[in-house]
Amino acid sequence: GESVGLHLPTLSVQEGDNSIINCAYSNSASDYFIWYKQESGKGPQFIIDIRSNMDKRQGQRVTVLLNKTVKHLSLQIAATQPGDSAVYFCAENFNKFYFGSGTKLNVKP
Amino acid sequence: SQTIHQWPATLVQPVGSPLSLECTVEGTSNPNLYWYRQAAGRGLQLLFYSVGIGQISSEVPQNLSASRPQDRQFILSSKKLLLSDSGFYLCAWEDGFNQPQHFGDGTRLSIL
Repeated sequence: GESVGLHLPTLSVQEGDNSIINCAYSNSASDYFIWYKQESGKGPQFIIDIRSNMDKRQGQRVTVLLNKTVKHLSLQIAATQPGDSAVYFCAENFNKFYFGSGTKLNVKP
Repeated sequence: SQTIHQWPATLVQPVGSPLSLECTVEGTSNPNLYWYRQAAGRGLQLLFYSVGIGQISSEVPQNLSASRPQDRQFILSSKKLLLSDSGFYLCAWEDGFNQPQHFGDGTRLSIL
């Protein structure tokens, strides 16, 4: 089946620094992508999405970049805060959603 | 605004007992509804989805079943739980295909 993977299982950053979380997706026909944030014991929370006709989309303190040539998705978080500590995972949509296993972001004060 | 509720938040059940997990969505009509299971360190596994009342599609053969008795109500059930049914179960809704899926806070199910 399809799979979505992440390059790094854990990322530690200093408060105030920028964070970059990466995701490799497997289906070149996927046309819609989402980043989720999941805190311990809670459900995933939608952060930002991007469609395949775009290569960049910005939200509040977050930016998603899509590189269809290498099937790579990244989430950039500006000025990372302790409240950003969570697991982040990407999802690709091709007929249905396929979810990555996630990267744990640790923000050090 | 739309909200999704799942309950209970945690559940401990003996092997062989029945199961009923409930999910309701407010603030939208005719959503697509989903049940997922999330294993530790793994991606979400789609169990069931529904595009309308009484319409259920199963993604994987298993000991579980789902029902949608009302437009915004989605139920996950089992007649006899197995140890392997332990996990974190998530309900999600979306307004249409290729739209964001929004998740409830999940149910942590432990089978003893």
